[in-house]
Amino acid sequence: EPEVTQTPSHQVTQMGQEVILRCVPISNHLYFYWYRQILGQKVEFLVSFYNNEISEKSEIFDDQFSVERPDGSNFTLKIRSTKLEDSAMYFCASTGQGGEQYFGPGTRLTVT
Amino acid sequence: EDKVVQSPLSLVVHEGDTVTLNCSYEVTNFRSLLWYKQEKKAPTFLFMLTSSGIEKKSGRLSSILDKKELSSILNITATQTGDSAIYLCAVAFPGAGSYQLTFGKGTKLSVIP
Repeated sequence: EPEVTQTPSHQVTQMGQEVILRCVPISNHLYFYWYRQILGQKVEFLVSFYNNEISEKSEIFDDQFSVERPDGSNFTLKIRSTKLEDSAMYFCASTGQGGEQYFGPGTRLTVT
Repeated sequence: EDKVVQSPLSLVVHEGDTVTLNCSYEVTNFRSLLWYKQEKKAPTFLFMLTSSGIEKKSGRLSSILDKKELSSILNITATQTGDSAIYLCAVAFPGAGSYQLTFGKGTKLSVIP
C-alpha cells in the first residue's frame, strides 16, 4: 500500500542553524502539506502545495520557512534559522483526488 | 478560538466496552470531516465524511456526520487494549483549492484489560 515517507525520523540542531526536512508523498497525489505538532498540543497546519506552488499558508509559516519540490518525488520543508520554539514533530501529508489525506511518520525536530 | 472541538478530552474504559467520541465544528460550509488515530507518532487515517447521515464503518469502528448539528461521532464497539490512542477529528474548511485540515485537541482513549 502506498505511503508517505519522511526523513530523517529525528533531527537535532543548534539554534540558528538551517534544517531541511524531507518527504516523499504518495506518487499519484496532487496536494502536499506540512503540519507541525508541538509536544502536547494540537496538530497545526503550516502550508499546502499544489501544482508546484504554495496554495495556502498559515501565520506560523513566516519568512523563516520555505517549501520546495526539487524533483518529481521529493517535497521539502526548510527552516532557515531555527529557534527553540521550532522544536516539534513535523508531519508531511498528501491528498489525492478524493480528498483523503495521509500523513507520513513525522520528523522530530529538536532545537538546542 | 477553537473551530473544531472534541469531547471528552480523555476517557478510560474497560476492554469490551463501547465508546462514543464526539467532534463539533463551527463553520457550516466545509468540505469534509476526517477522523484519525494517533498512537506514537503519525495520525493514521480512519474515515472521511462528506455527506450527512451516511455511516462509514470499518470493523469495530464507525462514524457518522450530522451537518445540521455540525458534529460527528466516532463509535468503537468491543474495545481492545490496542484501541488505546488519541483520536483526532479534523475538518477541511473551504480554502483556495487545497484540503488543509484544522484539527481538534483530540480524545485520549485508554482501554484497560
